[in-house]
This record gives sequence, structure tokens and C-alpha cells, in this order.
Amino acid sequence: GQQLNQSPQSMFIQEGEDVSMNCTSSSIFNTWLWYKQEPGEGPVLLIALYKAGELTSNGRLTAQFGITRKDSFLNISASIPSDVGIYFCAGRYNFGNEKLTFGTGTRLTIIP
Amino acid sequence: GAGVSQSPSNKVTEKGKDVELRCDPISGHTALYWYRQSLGQGLEFLIYFQGNSAPDKSGLPSDRFSAERTGGSVSTLTIQRTQQEDSAVYLCASRLNERPGTDEQFFGPGTRLTVL
Repeated sequence: GQQLNQSPQSMFIQEGEDVSMNCTSSSIFNTWLWYKQEPGEGPVLLIALYKAGELTSNGRLTAQFGITRKDSFLNISASIPSDVGIYFCAGRYNFGNEKLTFGTGTRLTIIP
Repeated sequence: GAGVSQSPSNKVTEKGKDVELRCDPISGHTALYWYRQSLGQGLEFLIYFQGNSAPDKSGLPSDRFSAERTGGSVSTLTIQRTQQEDSAVYLCASRLNERPGTDEQFFGPGTRLTVL
């Protein structure tokens, strides 16, 4: 099935550093979502973006809905150990069934 | 707990056997989704239920895969004659569906299926 292009695939950073990841699509979406998944768990919603150009924050997380509706980025500032996990973007076009198309994930590892 | 629950958490089966995976959505959520996550990959949509109906089955990979939902609540995903490529984590999500476009899916912890 279709997946969004997400980069980078993995990141190794030191605690306190800022993190940036992004997602691109060949088709437009009406909604962009960012999820975090930890081992043995399902994805947990971090941020939802509903309008092109929208910039939304949730604590140390900031995400933007690209103006072309084909991309989105997520920034994490001042990373802490509990930020470790896999981050997925997801796009939604159809307001009918609301199914999501997911990115391939960015694995974040924090080096002590 | 008020979240989405799935059972079993792990299932190991032999190639050719049938398996059933269960999802209990959040109470009152009318929309239910199944996704598959292969190792190191993102989630791949399988099927969507609204109530007991499945208006979108477009993600089911073959006719060996089927799903049903009863009473607008519990859903079962069945894989017949399992193959090794079916090995993955199967995730279920539910959504309230009161405000299309602004209420989001909540995911269960998944069932890890291993086909030997």
C-alpha cells in the first residue's frame, strides 16, 4: 500500500539537542498527523494539523502543515530521554472514512 | 481501562493454519480500523468499519483476509491459511466519528503475529 516519504529514517542525538523530521507526499492531504510509537505499544497522537500553513505546538513539539498540502514537518526542542521512540507522520484526504496513510517512520535514539 | 484493547498480544502459528485476532474498541466509538505494520515499516491500512458495515476493504491484501464486526463493538480479523509474509503487528484503532475530519483514531497495542 501507499506510504509517505519520511526522513530521516533514524536519528542519534544527545540529550538537549533539537530534532527535526519531515514527511512528503506526491498527493495532497486535508489533514496531517504526527504519532509516536514505543515498543509494544500502538501509536499515540502527538499533534493534528487541519489547515494548510498551520503551525501548531504541543509543549516542546512543533509541527507545520505545508502550504502545498503535500508535506509536513515535526520539530522537538531540547530533547529528553523519554522522547525515544519511532515517530510517524500520517495523512488523511477523505473525510468520509478517515483512513490514514502513514509514513515509514523516524527512529529517535538519544545518546547519554 | 478505557482504551482500545487487542488480543492476543502475541500469536505464533504454523504456516497454513487459520488465525483470529480480536479488537475491543473504546466504548461508544462507531468507527473501527485495522492496520498492519511489518517490521521496520509504517502502518498499512487494511479495512474500515462504520458500525457493523465495512464500506472500505481496499487494504485487505488477499481473499485469505477477512474481518467482521458485531454489535457495533468487537471486531475480529481472520487470516486463513497463513503464510510467512503475513507475519507482522496487526493494529486496531477506533474513532468516535461525531465530528468527521477533527476527531482522531486511538490505537490499541497490537497483536504480533509470527508465522513459522
